[in-house]
Amino acid sequence: NAGVTQTPKFQVLKTGQSMTLQCAQDMNHNSMYWYRQDPGMGLRLIYYSASEGTTDKGEVPNGYNVSRLNKREFSLRLESAAPSQTSVYFCASSEHWVGNQPQHFGDGTRLSIL
Amino acid sequence: GENVEQHPSTLSVQEGDSAVIKCTYSDSASNYFPWYKQELGKRPQLIIDIRSNVGEKKDQRIAVTLNKTAKHFSLHITETQPEDSAVYFCAASLDGGSQGNLIFGKGTKLSVKP
Repeated sequence: NAGVTQTPKFQVLKTGQSMTLQCAQDMNHNSMYWYRQDPGMGLRLIYYSASEGTTDKGEVPNGYNVSRLNKREFSLRLESAAPSQTSVYFCASSEHWVGNQPQHFGDGTRLSIL
Repeated sequence: GENVEQHPSTLSVQEGDSAVIKCTYSDSASNYFPWYKQELGKRPQLIIDIRSNVGEKKDQRIAVTLNKTAKHFSLHITETQPEDSAVYFCAASLDGGSQGNLIFGKGTKLSVKP
């Protein structure tokens, strides 16, 4: 099992460009999450999907959109990239949103916006 | 909403010594407290977690203690080894509802000197 797979691993964008970060899990998990990690800031939740067909805002949703394409896939879109969105993005999944389930993370996407 | 504070931000120990990382949380209703280890350039990985009905949990050289009255929990690593060098994150969440997502501390960079 691959667990949680993120693509791409690295990306450089120019300000104003758009792109979509892809995430897929093969653990049959119901819940999926997108975080950003900045130096000294820990992990901050951007959006989450508690179950297939639902998405909700996290702590820092501005400038992002998400799509829960099916149970396996959860994508994050930057419509008009800004330098403040330079970060490492992690996707995670858990069996359920309730019940205090452990979250499993992907390897991350390192995104630089010039 | 929940707020998690983590101390210290950096910790340096000699190989074989013990290391202790402490976290405090603000929402007394939080009931799930995981710890993640993140090696340089890699994904966060769950190393141990504790639920509010338990005061202490051990797994080989790692232990977590929880004091619900004081709203703090700690990670204890005994007999540290160079491979324990990493950034450690604590987190807290409430089981489900609008507060069901993990809130992370800002991390502790642990360096174990041989």
